[in-house]
Amino acid sequence: QSALTQPPSASGSPGQSVTMSCTGTSSDVGAYKFVSWYQQHPGKAPKLIIYEVNKRPSGVPDRFSGSKSGNTASLTVSGLQAEDEADYYCSSYGGSDNSIFGTGTKVTVL
Amino acid sequence: QTQLVQSGAEVKKSGSSVRVACKASGNRFTYNYVHWVRQAPGQALEWMGWITPFNGETHYAQKFQDRVTIVTDRSMSTADLELNSLRSEDTAMYYCANGGLGDFGHWGPGTLVTVSS
Repeated sequence: QSALTQPPSASGSPGQSVTMSCTGTSSDVGAYKFVSWYQQHPGKAPKLIIYEVNKRPSGVPDRFSGSKSGNTASLTVSGLQAEDEADYYCSSYGGSDNSIFGTGTKVTVL
Repeated sequence: QTQLVQSGAEVKKSGSSVRVACKASGNRFTYNYVHWVRQAPGQALEWMGWITPFNGETHYAQKFQDRVTIVTDRSMSTADLELNSLRSEDTAMYYCANGGLGDFGHWGPGTLVTVSS
């Protein structure tokens, strides 16, 4: 199974919104509700920010939201803040007990 | 909330093996699966496989199937990764992560494995 496709970079000014995509296939993203998103700051472990397409773990600000349409999932960060500058990875259950990560998007706060 | 603790950095020769330990603080994994995920320098996350600490069932990504073993000691709340026949491309940060089948809720801090010739 190939990695999910994410744009290499995205950017926005403080207070703006940024949306990034995660494109898979009808065998992974399109087939299951198990799409999740992770935020990773440099030198740190990833952190779960969205699971099951659009659910937020306790403690994650509601500025982070997720959605899915067909084979593409999306993460939107609203009210962009300096601390949101990080790498973002999507993940999907790929069937047959497998998981797949995306290629990652680097978000820059201008 | 369960925290994961991992063993320290390793430097290995090509062709050798490495074992990376992962232990749940509080002696209990919160979720049913312990996954292993690696990240080569400057690269994306890569899922390697999982184990269920409850009964030791495992599943590995096809890419690693012939070289990886994940083992658990339920009484010690550990889930360790063994990777054999190391090559330079295996140089990476290795993370354990506790979660469901399709997500990774809690992550360990990572263990850097460096493979040299």
